[in-house]
Amino acid sequence: ETAVFQTPNYHVTQVGNEVSFNCKQTLGHDTMYWYKQDSKKLLKIMFSYNNKQLIVNETVPRRFSPQSSDKAHLNLRIKSVEPEDSAVYLCASSWTGGGSAETLYFGSGTRLTVL
Amino acid sequence: AQKVTQTQTSISVMEKTTVTMDCVYETQDSSYFLFWYKQTASGEIVFLIRQDSYKKENATVGHYSLNFQKPKSSIGLIITATQIEDSAVYFCAMREIASSSFSKLVFGQGTSLSVVP
Repeated sequence: ETAVFQTPNYHVTQVGNEVSFNCKQTLGHDTMYWYKQDSKKLLKIMFSYNNKQLIVNETVPRRFSPQSSDKAHLNLRIKSVEPEDSAVYLCASSWTGGGSAETLYFGSGTRLTVL
Repeated sequence: AQKVTQTQTSISVMEKTTVTMDCVYETQDSSYFLFWYKQTASGEIVFLIRQDSYKKENATVGHYSLNFQKPKSSIGLIITATQIEDSAVYFCAMREIASSSFSKLVFGQGTSLSVVP
């Protein structure tokens, strides 16, 4: 049963355009993440938010900016996309309280193609 | 820095057999969580099973089990009685506990499993 919802599923755009991806979780989790999966299937964390606060910010280009309005929503904006931004962007959530293992639950991903 | 390595790029097995996927990890922490996730052809990533480093017993969920060898920093995933629908990419991942309340989950490179009739 899907509980982490991502929109859109696919997005094709041209170099230099701005794109935004949305993510919502209905699991009541307090932490949300953006992961990037490249063409070789490698999964790398980009950002993590706990209760609307940015807590993990990996070394990503400054054109990437996450936004969180509340703990159930996390968006990702990319200003002026580049060809190397073509990838699948996966949103995930977890519960981090009380010694939790913080198991991640993933959305279905947004596949970005930059022409 | 933590690191997770899956050396098997792809495996093909006959249906109803048992398969083991390897994973080794590096960490400076004495306490950590180890996970296995499955990514289906549709791209969906689902959590399968977890091993807590302080537990000696190997975790088991359904037809998934783990072979946890802490001295070797190894956590193998065993799938018994494989089915066609087990065909997917399997990711091993690790999260350190002590370093931070908000530690990162680091993934291995993935192993593609094909189960053939």
